[in-house]
Amino acid sequence: EPEVTQTPSHQVTQMGQEVILRCVPISNHLYFYWYRQILGQKVEFLVSFYNNEISEKSEIFDDQFSVERPDGSNFTLKIRSTKLEDSAMYFCASSRGANQPQHFGDGTRLSIL
Amino acid sequence: QKEVEQNSGPLSVPEGAIASLNCTYSDRGSQSFFWYRQYSGKSPELIMFIYSNGDKEDGRFTAQLNKASQYVSLLIRDSQPSDSATYLCAVKKDTDKLIFGTGTRLQVFP
Repeated sequence: EPEVTQTPSHQVTQMGQEVILRCVPISNHLYFYWYRQILGQKVEFLVSFYNNEISEKSEIFDDQFSVERPDGSNFTLKIRSTKLEDSAMYFCASSRGANQPQHFGDGTRLSIL
Repeated sequence: QKEVEQNSGPLSVPEGAIASLNCTYSDRGSQSFFWYRQYSGKSPELIMFIYSNGDKEDGRFTAQLNKASQYVSLLIRDSQPSDSATYLCAVKKDTDKLIFGTGTRLQVFP
C-alpha cells in the first residue's frame, strides 16, 4: 500500500540553525500538509499546499517557516532559525483531493538544543 | 470551548468487548469527520471517516455521526490488546486543515 515517507526520522539541531524536513507524498495525491505534535499535546495544523502554492496556513506558520515542492516528488518544510519551542514531531500528510482523507507519514522528531 | 473534545481516558475494556469512543465538536459548519489511531511515539493512522449522518461500518469498526447533536463516535467490536492506543477524533470544515482532539487512550486487557 502506498505511503507517505519522511526523512530524517530524528533531527537534532542547535537553536538558531536552519532545518529542512523532507517528505515524499503518495504519488497520485495532489494536496500536501504539514502538522506538528508537541510531546503530550494534540496534533496541530501548520500548512497546506496545492498546485505549487500554499492554500492555507495556521498562526503557527510564521515567517520562520516555509514550504517547497522542489521537484515532482519531494515536499519540504524549512524552519529558518529554530527555537527551543520548535521541538516536536512533524508530520507530513497528503490526500488525493481537498475533501479526501489525509494520510500521514511516520514523522520527524525535531529536537532543538 | 474546545473545537473538538474527547475524554482523555484511559478507557479500559476487556478483550472481546465493545469499546465506545466519543467526540463532540463545536462548529456546526463541520463537514467531515475522521478517526485516527496513534500508537505511542508513532504517527496518526486513519481508521475511519464519515461525512453523513448515521452509521458507517468497516470490519470491526463503526463510526457514528449525529450532526444535530454535534457528536461523532467510534465503536470497536471484539476489542483486541493490539487495539490499545490513543484514538484521535479529527474534524474538517470547508478549509484544508484537520482539527484534532486531544485523543482518548484505550486499553484492552486480556
